[in-house]
Amino acid sequence: GESVGLHLPTLSVQEGDNSIINCAYSNSASDYFIWYKQESGKGPQFIIDIRSNMDKRQGQRVTVLLNKTVKHLSLQIAATQPGDSAVYFCAENSDYSGGSNYKLTFGKGTLLTVNP
Amino acid sequence: EAQVTQNPRYLITVTGKKLTVTCSQNMNHEYMSWYRQDPGLGLRQIYYSMNVEVTDKGDVPEGYKVSRKEKRNFPLILESPSPNQTSLYFCASRTGHKSGEQYFGPGTRLTVT
Repeated sequence: GESVGLHLPTLSVQEGDNSIINCAYSNSASDYFIWYKQESGKGPQFIIDIRSNMDKRQGQRVTVLLNKTVKHLSLQIAATQPGDSAVYFCAENSDYSGGSNYKLTFGKGTLLTVNP
Repeated sequence: EAQVTQNPRYLITVTGKKLTVTCSQNMNHEYMSWYRQDPGLGLRQIYYSMNVEVTDKGDVPEGYKVSRKEKRNFPLILESPSPNQTSLYFCASRTGHKSGEQYFGPGTRLTVT
């Protein structure tokens, strides 16, 4: 199976509510995790990242939580706005060749729909 | 403005007709990749390049070629396109293979009939 897994769900929230998008990963050697946002017709856009030596990182209205014990990553969006409607991907950066080749592996994505 | 550009954005072609999708970045990044995005399969890496004249296969390289003669350019070549290569393609770049923040191009929607 995929080493970074989002079962492609749809999350629907009301404007102003908080959103939580989850991601499971299986490669315990991954040292870096990233969340991307992809709006319709556009390429993925970097949102926030976190290194494996951290368990939480905050940005503007977004927080990423990393639980290495259960290999789980989440993205929290505060006060969700219609402009947040998009597909969200998590990605992990793993070493595939003894330190000489890191690669990003992406989850399949979650579609977030914000209702006004 | 830091960006990755791709051309063309949309392309409809026929089976067997060679095509090239260009990719260029203006950030002096060493590492560049090509991905294809298909419904239910997410982003899959086709080829990557760690620097000029250094390229290697990703997860789904069959039917594709790449070249990296200059740092800023990383074209994707389909020598003999087939319908199963109909997809949305993204070029991406980042500082190095250990650096996670990766910038994506706007995408190329390819249809092969």
